[in-house]
Amino acid sequence: EDKVVQSPLSLVVHEGDTVTLNCSYEVTNFRSLLWYKQEKKAPTFLFMLTSSGIEKKSGRLSSILDKKELFSILNITATQTGDSAVYLCAAFLQGAQKLVFGQGTRLTINP
Amino acid sequence: GAVVSQHPSWVICKSGTSVKIECRSLDFQATTMFWYRQFPKQSLMLMATSNEGSKATYEQGVEKDKFLINHASLTLSTLTVTSAHPEDSSFYICSAMDGNQPQHFGDGTRLSIL
Repeated sequence: EDKVVQSPLSLVVHEGDTVTLNCSYEVTNFRSLLWYKQEKKAPTFLFMLTSSGIEKKSGRLSSILDKKELFSILNITATQTGDSAVYLCAAFLQGAQKLVFGQGTRLTINP
Repeated sequence: GAVVSQHPSWVICKSGTSVKIECRSLDFQATTMFWYRQFPKQSLMLMATSNEGSKATYEQGVEKDKFLINHASLTLSTLTVTSAHPEDSSFYICSAMDGNQPQHFGDGTRLSIL
């Protein structure tokens, strides 16, 4: 059974801290790993990772994929209250062309 | 960037009625659209994959006669929840994909069945 597992499920930190969110996957026909941010509505796209070891960056957010160990991390530096959200990772399956989502990490940034 | 529009954003209706939710890709042609369901504080669960001009592929445990999906054009897919009951109350989200690009999500529809 295809499975994506995120940890921690919940994280509370102070503004300015750096956080690392984890995502491991066990799926058939893996193609890419995606990260999304979900606030009150639907998820918004952050990163898509296809190759191992190549860091993707967008401002204070960065992410990397390890296809040998089957995991990815999402880093957020100098966190702000606006970073509070649920962060979802998902494995995109070739062939089936579908996303399998993890449970999400609920991140709360306190001022 | 790619935009997906979902309508309505919120609907409340009586038990037994049918509800139609629309999902449109506004600036690209979506070869494939997906319908998800999300319960409070849980992740997205894929219900079905919809390809333009062909029958939808439903995930295990999803009743295809209950959740009717139509993907009549490259920019529009609809999900109809037939004879809705309170247990169908949920947040329904569509997404659309164009070729190899990542899925882009609509804003979701909050469905409440009384």
